[in-house]
Amino acid sequence: SQKIEQNSEALNIQEGKTATLTCNYTNYSPAYLQWYRQDPGRGPVFLLLIRENEKEKRKERLKVTFDTTLKQSLFHITASQPADSATYLCALANNQGGKLIFGQGTELSVKP
Amino acid sequence: GAVVSQHPSRVICKSGTSVKIECRSLDFQATTMFWYRQFPKKSLMLMATSNEGSKATYEQGVEKDKFLINHASLTLSTLTVTSAHPEDSSFYICSARDFEGTQETQYFGPGTRLLVL
Repeated sequence: SQKIEQNSEALNIQEGKTATLTCNYTNYSPAYLQWYRQDPGRGPVFLLLIRENEKEKRKERLKVTFDTTLKQSLFHITASQPADSATYLCALANNQGGKLIFGQGTELSVKP
Repeated sequence: GAVVSQHPSRVICKSGTSVKIECRSLDFQATTMFWYRQFPKKSLMLMATSNEGSKATYEQGVEKDKFLINHASLTLSTLTVTSAHPEDSSFYICSARDFEGTQETQYFGPGTRLLVL
């Protein structure tokens, strides 16, 4: 069955450092991979989408890579700030805007 | 970005009652909306796909008679939890699909916390 795994441990980093979150998947060949941010008690907020034929995508301090050979995506937040503290979810889809399969999320804590 | 609202934000009800949750796309029309549930520290699990003007498509293991979905207009989908029991207590989140140029994106509502006593 399809399986998505993100860093199971919470990630604690110092302000100003780069946070790197991992998303690995098996038994799946997604056409799209998306990253969302979720704050406690709130719905997910869309951050970035990357297609299977794209290696890298950037948006301000965010960078996403997508390696379909390794079946892995890396999500980077550069110059991290305490306001970046949240849970980050990766989600896979076969069709743009279609059903999303979510990972369990990685909780990021940025300390001042 | 597009805005999706949910109402109510939290609800407490007695076991055996039915609860209706509304999901609205505020500044765009959505032919397709999705309903998810999320347990504490767990991932979002897709329950069903709601299509305007037609029957919802439920994921395996989700009881369609228990979780009634109505997508009567291009901006509103409702989820009714019928005869709710304590095990139905969860965080319910909807999303609506929007188009931006050539890209389709799902925008999520803020969620509804349901507690069944």
